[in-house]
Amino acid sequence: DAKTTQPTSMDCAEGRAANLPCNHSTISGNEYVYWYRQIHSQGPQYIIHGLKNNETNEMASLIITEDRKSSTLILPHATLRDTAVYYCIAFSSGSARQLTFGSGTQLTVLP
Amino acid sequence: NAGVTQTPKFQVLKTGQSMTLQCAQDMNHNSMYWYRQDPGMGLRLIYYSASEGTTDKGEVPNGYNVSRLNKREFSLRLESAAPSQTSVYFCASIPSGMNYEQYFGPGTRLTVT
Repeated sequence: DAKTTQPTSMDCAEGRAANLPCNHSTISGNEYVYWYRQIHSQGPQYIIHGLKNNETNEMASLIITEDRKSSTLILPHATLRDTAVYYCIAFSSGSARQLTFGSGTQLTVLP
Repeated sequence: NAGVTQTPKFQVLKTGQSMTLQCAQDMNHNSMYWYRQDPGMGLRLIYYSASEGTTDKGEVPNGYNVSRLNKREFSLRLESAAPSQTSVYFCASIPSGMNYEQYFGPGTRLTVT
């Protein structure tokens, strides 16, 4: 699976959009981009995933660049409860379903 | 559905003691996983079971054994606990098919003194 690079930490004002970047320059054609988050002390929570097209669900939007070398997770109206570590993972269906979690981005939503 | 459940929630062991961490899921998922998370670190895969009857090593399997008892249950055993195994342990599962969304349990916080 491709290695991903994320900033260590970010701040965002409550009510504003939080844009979390992820670099996956070595991603291959069959690798999906998955996003999870981990709120302090809890198990990670799935957010969204995509392959080529932009995706949106009730939690977030995922924007993938045309060359697929990077992506951005967007939380449209961040709340204090969105404070968490966010993990970006590049994952191939041929890798026996092993997800490799890196260190992620600590997002702090400020009041 | 309870989702993924783990027992116990907390455990303190002395060096050399053994214990088994239990995990169960009621979502009829095929694949199950054990991760550990050390303070300030990401998750590291210990063992996984792609389907009932199969288990494979992950990134950090030394000092652990696993059993996929049936489709629902996947246990992690520490035969002789060491202080380096102090960590939070998470169990997760994935359904069959093309959906690789992992469902995680609440974790077991283990301290080895």
